Amino acid sequence: LAKTTQPISMDSYEGQEVNITCSHNNIATNDYITWYQQFPSQGPRFIIQGYKTKVTNEVASLFIPADRKSSTLSLPRVSLSDTAVYYCLVPGGGATNKLIFGTGTLLAVQP
Amino acid sequence: EPEVTQTPSHQVTQMGQEVILRCVPISNHLYFYWYRQILGQKVEFLVSFYNNEISEKSEIFDDQFSVERPDGSNFTLKIRSTKLEDSAMYFCASSDGTQLYNEQFFGPGTRLTVL
Repeated sequence: LAKTTQPISMDSYEGQEVNITCSHNNIATNDYITWYQQFPSQGPRFIIQGYKTKVTNEVASLFIPADRKSSTLSLPRVSLSDTAVYYCLVPGGGATNKLIFGTGTLLAVQP
Repeated sequence: EPEVTQTPSHQVTQMGQEVILRCVPISNHLYFYWYRQILGQKVEFLVSFYNNEISEKSEIFDDQFSVERPDGSNFTLKIRSTKLEDSAMYFCASSDGTQLYNEQFFGPGTRLTVL
């Protein structure tokens, strides 16, 4: 199974752009990269998913270089409410695509 | 917007007692999951369920655990004889399974405290 590595924590201020990078050196050819967000005492929530180059939705952008060994989640103009743990995931394999969570990146946004 | 619901939000039980955690997945979803998160630790996969049977389970999901979809809407996780180390947040999730890497929708969780 491909393993992901991301920083344990990051600090930011309101209004800044935040980029969280994840390494997945052993990603398989068919694997997509998915990011989830988790607020304290809540279930994880899907943010964005991509395979290559760039994906953008109303919440974030995801940048994936050509070798796909890493990916960067970009959050534009963060607010205090973006304080959460952000998880980078690649498929857990098996028939039902279970999610294998790492420790994630705790983003702390300050005023 | 459709959402996954879970009951109860908090369950306190004595060691050795049986507990049943309940989930109502999103109505047109086909795949159902249970995850747990011990306080301060990672979210861990427990089991996936499709077509009225277990599709996959982790090492955590031993004989003390069982899942059931007793009717068309509920999805339950039963722990037969709870242990102190079963104390955790338990999250139910569902997905529609129409795409290979489709999004999983998580419920708000049930906090299980075993005394």
